[in-house]
Amino acid sequence: QSALTQPASVSGSPGQSITISCTGTSSDVGGYNYVSWYQQHPGKAPKLMIYEVSNRPSGVSNRFSGSKSGNTASLTISGLQAEDEADYYCSSYTTSSTAEVFGGGTKLTVL
Amino acid sequence: EVQLLESGGGLVQPGGSLRLSCAASGFTFSSYAMNWVRQAPGKGLEWVSVISGSGDSTYYADSVKGRFTISRDNSKNTLYLQMNSLRAEDTAVYYCAKDYPRYCSGGSCSSAYAFDIWGQGTMVTVSS
Repeated sequence: QSALTQPASVSGSPGQSITISCTGTSSDVGGYNYVSWYQQHPGKAPKLMIYEVSNRPSGVSNRFSGSKSGNTASLTISGLQAEDEADYYCSSYTTSSTAEVFGGGTKLTVL
Repeated sequence: EVQLLESGGGLVQPGGSLRLSCAASGFTFSSYAMNWVRQAPGKGLEWVSVISGSGDSTYYADSVKGRFTISRDNSKNTLYLQMNSLRAEDTAVYYCAKDYPRYCSGGSCSSAYAFDIWGQGTMVTVSS
């Protein structure tokens, strides 16, 4: 099962907005609205930021938003802050032989 | 407080076995599917396995199918991962993760295929 495709790194300055893409296929990202995004700081467990493409769990800042077009999902972080610097992973339900697949991860650097 | 606490990791030789446990607290354990997700050193997340709330449905990543077995004991609020025929490439931090529900009815919840609660992880090292 191939991982979803994410850029290895993105960067932005405080206050700016950045977008991280997550590309899959019609068997996963494109076929279902079950795309999630996770934030992981070094040495910590991942934290759910977005579920079902664009929904935020309680307590997650509204600076984080998600969307999807075709086989590509996107995470946008607006008003970048220093504490947003972390690794971000997308995941999706898949109809392949497994049930869930992650992206390779994107390292966000806040300049 | 909702919490997951993994245990059972350690150093094991190639071909060996290990059983991981994940103790849950602060929520109705039997209502939710539970997952194992792993992360090799310096690498990304890899979904490993999922088990339904009742325990009657399980799925595995191709990389562990036939070697790993997920199970749960709802009377003990505990999730397990039995790992056999371990390989060097199984070396990773193993996290248990609770399924985020779409909705709940009659004591069970349908899945949003997202993971809202994670444990702190337990390290498994496969090496001779």
